[in-house]
Amino acid sequence: GDSVTQMEGPVTLSEEAFLTINCTYTATGYPSLFWYVQYPGEGLQLLLKATKADDKGSNKGFEATYRKETTSFHLEKGSVQVSDSAVYFCPNTGFQKLVFGTGTRLLVSP
Amino acid sequence: NAGVTQTPKFQVLKTGQSMTLQCAQDMNHEYMSWYRQDPGMGLRLIHYSVGAGITDQGEVPNGYNVSRSTTEDFPLRLLSAAPSQTSVYFCASSYSTYSGNTIYFGEGSWLTVV
Repeated sequence: GDSVTQMEGPVTLSEEAFLTINCTYTATGYPSLFWYVQYPGEGLQLLLKATKADDKGSNKGFEATYRKETTSFHLEKGSVQVSDSAVYFCPNTGFQKLVFGTGTRLLVSP
Repeated sequence: NAGVTQTPKFQVLKTGQSMTLQCAQDMNHEYMSWYRQDPGMGLRLIHYSVGAGITDQGEVPNGYNVSRSTTEDFPLRLLSAAPSQTSVYFCASSYSTYSGNTIYFGEGSWLTVV
């Protein structure tokens, strides 16, 4: 069946560093792919999404491109800020529910 | 926009007590669900509903009841609280069951059972 594999954290970076969080998928078709973010003490919120191959989702300086040739949807940001410290989820899509897993914790230090 | 509203935000219960976590959404979403989030376990689905009058079990339903009498509301009931139910609970909703839809989360309810 369809599945998504997300890199484990924590990822620790200094402010203004480049960020990549890997997410790869296996699917028979081309499911919509998502990145959600959870800031401390809050619920999850959609960060970006892509609904078909070669689509690029972007928001708040974050980008992810739906690459069918590498079956990947890696999250990137050119220059992270302390305020980007959060847990990032690349959920596994499935009928009626997304499976969120544990996410990748990002810690950005000044 | 209110979105998904959960109450209470914090609650302490004694073992054996019962309580209800309230969830309401004002987006006319068909699909609503409850998750719990525990350290190292990620988000786990407790119950979900695909419309008023329809509910089903998720991954970890034991000890919890739900009902969906209206489109807007999806309360989660703890029948007899146990320390293992200490967790953060999130209610979520989306327009339909299509997995490509965005899911909207409430801000969470922190529950401690002593």
